[in-house]
Order: sequence, then C-alpha cells, then structure tokens
Amino acid sequence: DIQLTQSPSFLSASVGDRVTITCRASQGISSYLAWHQQKPGKAPKLLIYAASTLQSGVPSRFSGSGSGTEFTLTISSLQPEDFATYYCQHFNGYPLSFGGGTKVEIK
Amino acid sequence: EVQLVESGGGLVQPGGSLRLSCAASGFTFSDHYMDWVRQAPGKGLEWVGRIRHKARSYTTEYAASVKGRFTISRDDSKNSVYLQMSSLKTEDTAVYSCARGFCGVGTCYVDYWGQGTPVTVSS
Repeated sequence: DIQLTQSPSFLSASVGDRVTITCRASQGISSYLAWHQQKPGKAPKLLIYAASTLQSGVPSRFSGSGSGTEFTLTISSLQPEDFATYYCQHFNGYPLSFGGGTKVEIK
Repeated sequence: EVQLVESGGGLVQPGGSLRLSCAASGFTFSDHYMDWVRQAPGKGLEWVGRIRHKARSYTTEYAASVKGRFTISRDDSKNSVYLQMSSLKTEDTAVYSCARGFCGVGTCYVDYWGQGTPVTVSS
C-alpha cells in the first residue's frame, strides 16, 4: 500500500505569506495526486488534481507541482480564508489514501 | 448545483450493523463513481471505499480496515449510494461522507463531498 507523508503537520503563517506544503509518497504515483482543503465543520474541497491542475473556481494563488514521489502545494499569498487543513490524496491504484494533513493557522 | 446528503448515522453497539445512505442531486449520478470517506474525531481523512458505475459493472474497492465488514452499493434509479457496515468496532467511530468521483486521464479523482453523517460505536 502507498503511504503519503505530509510536512509540516502544522504551519503558522501571516496573511500575505508564501506557503509551501510537501507530500511524499512511499512509491511512485506518477501525477495521480490531488490536494483538498478542509475548514472546521465543513466538507473538504478539491483544490488541485493530477498534481498540478487547478480545479474550476479555485483561486490562482493555489498551485501544485511534482510527480513520482514528491509533490508540493503552494499558496502564493496567504489570504484569511485560506486558514484550514490541507490533505493530499493519491489515486494511483487501490487502496487510495490520504496524507496526515497540514493545519495552516494564523501567526 | 452538486449536492450530496448523507443520512443513517447514529449510536450502535460494538458488533452491530448500520446502513448509511447518500442522496445525490445536481448531476447525472449514474455517470459517476462514488466514494465513501471517514474522519474519526480530531483525526485526518481515511478512504473507506469506492463503487464504479454501470459501465464498469458496479465493481467495488475497499480499504483493508473495512474489507469483509463493509459493503458499498448503489441504486441509480434513486440517485443514491449506500454503505452497509457490519461487525462494527469502536475504531469505526467517525463522520462518514460520500464523495463524487470524476475520471481524468488514467484515473478517477473526487471533486465534491457531502457534509457527512456521524457514527458512534460504543457500548
């Protein structure tokens, strides 16, 4: 089974900061990776799929990159509404799995 | 507007059973794979399983932690997907959500999620 390791697990940042979250896969998963955002008490929201494709309606300050085993989610200029927990998820065969999450909080 | 509404959660004793439902609207349900995902209190997301559409013979996939105990089914005439849970354990306590799959090149992702229904397994 493929394990996804996210880092950091917690991140404190200010509005306007550039933020980068990393997701490492235990084996190569091509570009079959998505990023989701979850706010407390809310359903997750898809941000990026196929490692770098921005989901419709998602602000362009979000971007994704990587392939194989290392992936990154970048927020170019953190906005107040971006404080949330972010999860990567792989789609390279079964079972699917999520990373442990990265909680982004206000500094 | 895509909507996914789960129901059927509640309190159940260890070893018991429960059936969750997810009602879909706002899209052609029969064209999409559907997933179940859960989130234990204060924990991260855990993928539970997937059911494909008719063109893929409604085949299913499961996480190892639920395989043999949980069964996913769907009724395209009712725009609904179900999660039958049996032999429940305390560690199955979580909020259970359904999610819509969409297929790109080479694989199928998920793009919309429901709010979830809580399941508590306790004596």
